Amino acid sequence: AQKITQTQPGMFVQEKEAVTLDCTYDTSDQSYGLFWYKQPSSGEMIFLIYQGSYDEQNATEGRYSLNFQKARKSANLVISASQLGDSAMYFCAMREGWGKLQFGAGTQVVVTP
Amino acid sequence: DGGITQSPKYLFRKEGQNVTLSCEQNLNHDAMYWYRQDPGQGLRLIYYSQIVNDFQKGDIAEGYSVSREKKESFPLTVTSAQKNPTAFYLCASRRDRGGNQPQHFGDGTRLSIL
Repeated sequence: AQKITQTQPGMFVQEKEAVTLDCTYDTSDQSYGLFWYKQPSSGEMIFLIYQGSYDEQNATEGRYSLNFQKARKSANLVISASQLGDSAMYFCAMREGWGKLQFGAGTQVVVTP
Repeated sequence: DGGITQSPKYLFRKEGQNVTLSCEQNLNHDAMYWYRQDPGQGLRLIYYSQIVNDFQKGDIAEGYSVSREKKESFPLTVTSAQKNPTAFYLCASRRDRGGNQPQHFGDGTRLSIL
């Protein structure tokens, strides 16, 4: 059964606008972690942000913030002030048990001038 | 600079041939992982290793084998039993100090069938 769901296959966003990428997850564990990665067309995976299940505040890292709604099992990524270099595939992932990650199918973001 | 090196960047396999993908890290990370990515899809875990001389199967281990003889190295062999090996393969490592530690990835190897 799919544990990470990213319902938006692709999105267009204008430069300098904010964009929200959806991620919902399914787990019965009390302790878990959620990660977001960026994958440019070159293929490398770049870690962006982390949210732990016990963290009371939403994580932020520069222009990236995570809208964590535990009861709804969602962990949406918000990119503020989009830049052309933000065009990439974005993956949500959940840590299962020890260290292993389950990845969603990803959302392709295209930033337009 | 510390990081993860995957080689080669591109690899071609003939029918019935085994090929080995290299993954080396100098981050002193305990854990290492291999993922497969098919076009337009997310990553799927092939094998992972928490410690030297120990490794576990992931979700799609059939047709693959690994070894972990050194902390720095985690090579992946794609055997002839893997009937659809064309994919992008990513290696990752992680410092095993708490659940908030992210996995760090190499640049990947693109494997194709000749």
